[in-house]
Amino acid sequence: DTAVSQTPKYLVTQMGNDKSIKCEQNLGHDTMYWYKQDSKKFLKIMFSYNNKELIINETVPNRFSPKSPDKAHLNLHINSLELGDSAVYFCASSTTGGAEKGYTFGSGTRLTVV
Amino acid sequence: GENVEQHPSTLSVQEGDSAVIKCTYSDSASNYFPWYKQELGKGPQLIIDIRSNVGEKKDQRIAVTLNKTAKHFSLHITETQPEDSAVYFCAASGRQLTFGSGTQLTVLP
Repeated sequence: DTAVSQTPKYLVTQMGNDKSIKCEQNLGHDTMYWYKQDSKKFLKIMFSYNNKELIINETVPNRFSPKSPDKAHLNLHINSLELGDSAVYFCASSTTGGAEKGYTFGSGTRLTVV
Repeated sequence: GENVEQHPSTLSVQEGDSAVIKCTYSDSASNYFPWYKQELGKGPQLIIDIRSNVGEKKDQRIAVTLNKTAKHFSLHITETQPEDSAVYFCAASGRQLTFGSGTQLTVLP
């Protein structure tokens, strides 16, 4: 199936731990994104990569570090997890200029920090 | 940067009735306005979009209108069905996509 796939779907971890979320797309897109959706459903962009190069880095704590080994993958590593990091994290992808061509979203990773 | 406001935050309609969700945006340079539907436990899915050179677009029971002068756009769903129940997001795009705060639509059978 052509899609944006994220793993894991659920992640429960303790405060202070380090965790990673992986994202892969097989749509041939060259731009990938990470969004955070809080408990009120608000979607906020965190990062955007185009051809492995960081192009958008919103005000996000530097405990969050994205890594793009190639244009089909964008992983998110989070250090020293805090309670406020609990949210659903969505990966998305698009073609270049994708803001005008629509994004394809993954199904999300629900992160719970206890 | 772009700011997108969306209303209402919740909307309940009877099956068969119409539903309207409204959004306003702030950046006059925005030129692309997609709408996304998010079902429980899933990611947002693009359902319809409109560009700034078009005033209205329709796809079966879904239509979107855009008023560039007033900087607002709306989603219209006619003959609603229970499977239309979901969270709907509007978005506006210039350099990047900025989302509205979402509308929880419930279609009552």
